[in-house]
Amino acid sequence: AQSVTQLDSQVPVFEEAPVELRCNYSSSVSVYLFWYVQYPNQGLQLLLKYLSGSTLVKGINGFEAEFNKSQTSFHLRKPSVHISDTAEYFCAVTEGEYGNKLVFGAGTILRVKS
Amino acid sequence: NAGVTQTPKFRVLKTGQSMTLLCAQDMNHEYMYWYRQDPGMGLRLIHYSVGEGTTAKGEVPDGYNVSRLKKQNFLLGLESAAPSQTSVYFCASSFPFGTGAFLRDYGYTFGSGTRLTVV
Repeated sequence: AQSVTQLDSQVPVFEEAPVELRCNYSSSVSVYLFWYVQYPNQGLQLLLKYLSGSTLVKGINGFEAEFNKSQTSFHLRKPSVHISDTAEYFCAVTEGEYGNKLVFGAGTILRVKS
Repeated sequence: NAGVTQTPKFRVLKTGQSMTLLCAQDMNHEYMYWYRQDPGMGLRLIHYSVGEGTTAKGEVPDGYNVSRLKKQNFLLGLESAAPSQTSVYFCASSFPFGTGAFLRDYGYTFGSGTRLTVV
């Protein structure tokens, strides 16, 4: 079964600093990869997704992620964070026949400090 | 606005009571899902459906039942609530896996969640 590891449960960072949130998944077979963001007391919003093509994926709010098949990683990056980026971020990967299930990591809380 | 709607948003139950959570989507998605979110554990799949009239177990199905009588609705039932079922529940829907237009649109849309407390 597919599993997703988010290596950091919390990442504190100062405003305008760069940030990387790490994600590794277990299977090297073809997968689709996603990053979601959850602001306090809200649902999940899609940040970006890798389905095929270029391994560097750009998403909303200035975030980007790079798919690395050999390292089974899909790390999320932003060159300069804002206070408003404070949220929990979830990495997810498809599993199952026809990719009909989504497996989530445990989440990383990004705390942006002024 | 198009999307996934969950009702209710909040609920407090006593141990042993039953309830049904409703999920409705208006995007004509084939697939629908129920997840629960607990601190430090991410989202875990409870049950899912790949089409009207079909359901399947996910990672943590015990204590829950589901039904998909209409394509747009996916119901999650708790027959006898337990404190361990205190959680935030999210419904999601998606197009099926595929190529072409479906591949471009492939992704999951989530509802805003139901916060359930069992006392």
